[in-house]
Amino acid sequence: QSVLTQPPSASGTPGQRVTISCSGSSSNIGSNTVNWYQKAPGTAPKLLIYRNNLRPSGVPDRFSGSKSGTSASLAISGLQSEDEADYYCAAWDDSLSGPVFGGGTKVTVL
Amino acid sequence: EVQLVESGGGLVQPGGSLRLSCAASGFIFSNYWMSWVRQAPGKGLEWVANIKQGGSEKFYVDSVKGRFTISRDNAENSLYLQMNSLRAEDTAVYYCARGSTILDNWGHGTLVTVSS
Repeated sequence: QSVLTQPPSASGTPGQRVTISCSGSSSNIGSNTVNWYQKAPGTAPKLLIYRNNLRPSGVPDRFSGSKSGTSASLAISGLQSEDEADYYCAAWDDSLSGPVFGGGTKVTVL
Repeated sequence: EVQLVESGGGLVQPGGSLRLSCAASGFIFSNYWMSWVRQAPGKGLEWVANIKQGGSEKFYVDSVKGRFTISRDNAENSLYLQMNSLRAEDTAVYYCARGSTILDNWGHGTLVTVSS
């Protein structure tokens, strides 16, 4: 049972917009920023969004993040086949002195 | 280019020990917090431990406290995870990552299998 709650799956056709939600509590998302990671099978996890809505260099602007209260969301616009992967939200948890992750959302491009 | 390369994984019996290593290059290792994160088969990511730049502060997820020890050698640009009293539920791919709150670079992981 993950500390942060994500839907297990999401899907869309090429070009569509997909949104993934992430729900936490006051000790994590409510008091800290949210990061998103992309994990494709057999590859290393990759930082996708940090501090709620910032993109590292090289991440396409099709990916965007937002946060409100104890929830956050990741949006993928203009969905592409290479976006098929698992997506994880994460936030620092004040009670653990470490990050907590969501259970991951598998995105399928139909 | 930042590179993190894990090693030391393998098959170990329950109750056994294993030491993971992570060789870092392409950045000033001593300037960064470092972390270990694992992914059990078919499961999500789970933070395991992190360590401050000089090694003076270390934090662990509750499930590994007293069994795992994170350490680093800044002269060798290396991160370690000593795992003792291993259990079946420790079976996972273990990733080395740069940072603590934001994990901005990850290695490709090393597989640890705990089974008799």
